[in-house]
Formats: sequence, C-alpha cells, structure tokens
Amino acid sequence: QKEVEQNSGPLSVPEGAIASLNCTYSDRGSQSFFWYRQYSGKSPELIMSIYSNGDKEDGRFTAQLNKASQYVSLLIRDSQPSDSATYLCAVNLYSSASKIIFGSGTRLSIRP
Amino acid sequence: SQTIHQWPATLVQPVGSPLSLECTVEGTSNPNLYWYRQAAGRGLQLLFYSVGIGQISSEVPQNLSASRPQDRQFILSSKKLLLSDSGFYLCAWSVQGGGYTFGSGTRLTVV
Repeated sequence: QKEVEQNSGPLSVPEGAIASLNCTYSDRGSQSFFWYRQYSGKSPELIMSIYSNGDKEDGRFTAQLNKASQYVSLLIRDSQPSDSATYLCAVNLYSSASKIIFGSGTRLSIRP
Repeated sequence: SQTIHQWPATLVQPVGSPLSLECTVEGTSNPNLYWYRQAAGRGLQLLFYSVGIGQISSEVPQNLSASRPQDRQFILSSKKLLLSDSGFYLCAWSVQGGGYTFGSGTRLTVV
C-alpha cells in the first residue's frame, strides 16, 4: 500500500463547477496535511494546509480532513481554466515530523 | 520574507560528468532542507533531507550525495552522472510541522 494515494486522473470539470480531489493516507499518526498545485514545468506551490478534522476554507478552496477514515480532500469552487494543473496531496510522517510524503498527483483539467 | 534560490534553471550534462546544484534560503534560520527529484510525468521522490548543518539523511541509495556546509545552503552533487539521473530537481525548505516551500527547480538532462 502506498503511503499517500491519489487518483491520477485526468479529472475533467466544466468551468464554473466544483472540482473535488481526493487523497487517502496510510500513517494513522499523521498530523499535518497539505495540498500543492503544480503547473506543467513548474515547481509545486503550497495552496492549503490542514491540521485538524473538519473543513478549512480559503477563498475558492476548501480542504477537508477525516483522520478516522484517513482521508483528505480538496474542493475548488467556481473552477477556472487557470485551475488546470496537477494537484499533489502531501502528508507528514508520524515517525519523522520533518518528512512529508507526496502522492503522485491528480491532473485536473477545466474545460470552457 | 523567506525566499529560496535554486540554480541553474536548466542544465545539460554528458554521462560521466560531475554535478553540483546549489540551493540557498533567505529570511529564516535553521530550516529543514530537502532535495527532491521528479522524473517526467512522475511524482516527487525525496532524495535527501537535512535538519541542521552537516546533518544529512539519505532516502534513496544512488549516484548522488548532498551536503549542508552552512545553515541556509544545501548542495546536491554527483561525481559521475548517469542517464537515469535526468529529471527535475527541486530544493525545498520548511520549519518543523509546516509545509514545504519549493525553489524554482533545475531541469537536468544527461546526454
């Protein structure tokens, strides 16, 4: 079992709709969870951090965390063509708080 | 504010040649520093990380090494490059428990 799993996509969403990206993780002791956006040919950019169960909203982005189910998700409301990118889920390791493990990413495409 | 510098942006090197990539961080003290590699169309592979000067943890045994000669400087090296060393190399920094901030990356092509 991979430590952080994501559907590779591509996920195609019409402009203006809600994009829903999902991630599961295996380390039950993980405490910190992150979503990164990576445009083609560019480095990843941190867009959301979440540390406790529930929802965290920042503009059009909402991160959701359920530690009991070992599940974290990212919702993007009012999707724009500029949201087309690969989204990486990342989780810290309980055994080594200095290390973050990345999923392989979900490619999101927003169609006009 | 904190910034991270990584250079060069692109590099083409022949097989068997040496490699040195440098990363520096400004605006923070005692950061955790990381080197990642991303092969084309693939995920991020952690190569090395460091929690302090001279402290290097290697994640994947391979043809590369890392050093941290100063608090905010992290260097990735190789004595002899292989074709399989091609990829997008990313340096990142963090503070304990926080997310990573990545540099702009170096695209290395070994020919």
